[in-house]
Amino acid sequence: GEDVEQSLFLSVREGDSSVINCTYTDSSSTYLYWYKQEPGAGLQLLTYIFSNMDMKQDQRLTVLLNKKDKHLSLRIADTQTGDSAIYFCAESIAGTYKYIFGTGTRLKVLA
Amino acid sequence: DTAVSQTPKYLVTQMGNDKSIKCEQNLGHDTMYWYKQDSKKFLKIMFSYNNKELIINETVPNRFSPKSPDKAHLNLHINSLELGDSAVYFCASSQFGQNTEAFFGQGTRLTVV
Repeated sequence: GEDVEQSLFLSVREGDSSVINCTYTDSSSTYLYWYKQEPGAGLQLLTYIFSNMDMKQDQRLTVLLNKKDKHLSLRIADTQTGDSAIYFCAESIAGTYKYIFGTGTRLKVLA
Repeated sequence: DTAVSQTPKYLVTQMGNDKSIKCEQNLGHDTMYWYKQDSKKFLKIMFSYNNKELIINETVPNRFSPKSPDKAHLNLHINSLELGDSAVYFCASSQFGQNTEAFFGQGTRLTVV
């Protein structure tokens, strides 16, 4: 299957950490990605992780991958109002020409 | 120096009309895509082209006809537009086999009235 699920909404206070979760079903995914979409804009890649890794840190962003449970998470440390956006996880499937996107999580950061 | 550019950004048209959306990428990628984002922000792949050849057609109605004159361009023509076609359409490109990310255009907001 190719379903990628995310919770639809997340609200946090400025300065707190945000954790956005994603579950996927296709075990043949090679890379998993996190994209950010601001209102009226396209998708911007934030970070990605290779499927044989379990963690990747990039400044305020930490990606955790549990391949056994097919669970991916994105932690944003010290969340700022500028982080308010929709966050999509995505997977690329080995040998195919497609990226499968999750349902998107709308992050709202309260001042 | 936009990597993936789409035109137009906004398109408002009446039901039954035919319209086209253009996409160009200057990244030298060999694979291009069209995605549709509905009002709930769900993103679904529509088409994928590799080296001008159609690779993926995800059960999209025949009214949608992509055309790739060369590797850098993938246009989307839509015939007999329907209200349900209203959405944001995103073009994207990537280099197959390198497992790098897909780069997205800014989207075309299509409104059918």
